[in-house]
Amino acid sequence: NAGVMQNPRHLVRRRGQEARLRCSPMKGHSHVYWYRQLPEEGLKFMVYLQKENIIDESGMPKERFSAEFPKEGPSILRIQQVVRGDSAAYFCASSREEGNTIYFGEGSWLTVV
Amino acid sequence: DAKTTQPPSMDCAEGRAANLPCNHSTISGNEYVYWYRQIHSQGPQYIIHGLKNNETNEMASLIITEDRKSSTLILPHATLRDTAVYYCIALSPHGSGNTGKLIFGQGTTLQVKP
Repeated sequence: NAGVMQNPRHLVRRRGQEARLRCSPMKGHSHVYWYRQLPEEGLKFMVYLQKENIIDESGMPKERFSAEFPKEGPSILRIQQVVRGDSAAYFCASSREEGNTIYFGEGSWLTVV
Repeated sequence: DAKTTQPPSMDCAEGRAANLPCNHSTISGNEYVYWYRQIHSQGPQYIIHGLKNNETNEMASLIITEDRKSSTLILPHATLRDTAVYYCIALSPHGSGNTGKLIFGQGTTLQVKP
């Protein structure tokens, strides 16, 4: 049973470009969470989505960041006009509809140069 | 969700049991205690969770006090690969307006030494 799959694992972008991070949840999971971990800092919740719906985006920066989880395909975290401060590890997690246990992917490391 | 308190760091000798404490004195009746760990440069890994009873799986044991105000994660035979940051999180189940999202604190950095 494949775990949460994230790609790309490493991404380098120049300032002002766009970054798209993809997350395929575990089979049978319909809830997706995104977290960010800045260098030498803790894990911070960003957004929680179910299929086609954003449920909780209280941790998302107000500008440049967006997330979606379409009916078909992976969840996407999109960062427009990246700045150096966006350099971080971005972790996706998923859970079943009825359960609580959340499982994480291995992360996508974004470096902005 | 209730706040949890953990020591910032601990050492453990390889092959010995690692006992990681967590205080959650304000935990409510329906909140579970979850443990995750994060090995350097990897994603957080689920370890175990419980509500009232002690739990054991292939990775660890979870001991929850009768009053549920504290718990201990036990790694019975720590190895060097268990060196990681361990997080104790109190979490309400889905529903009733709870999203089930995990809020990570600073955790306990466990260093397993040869």
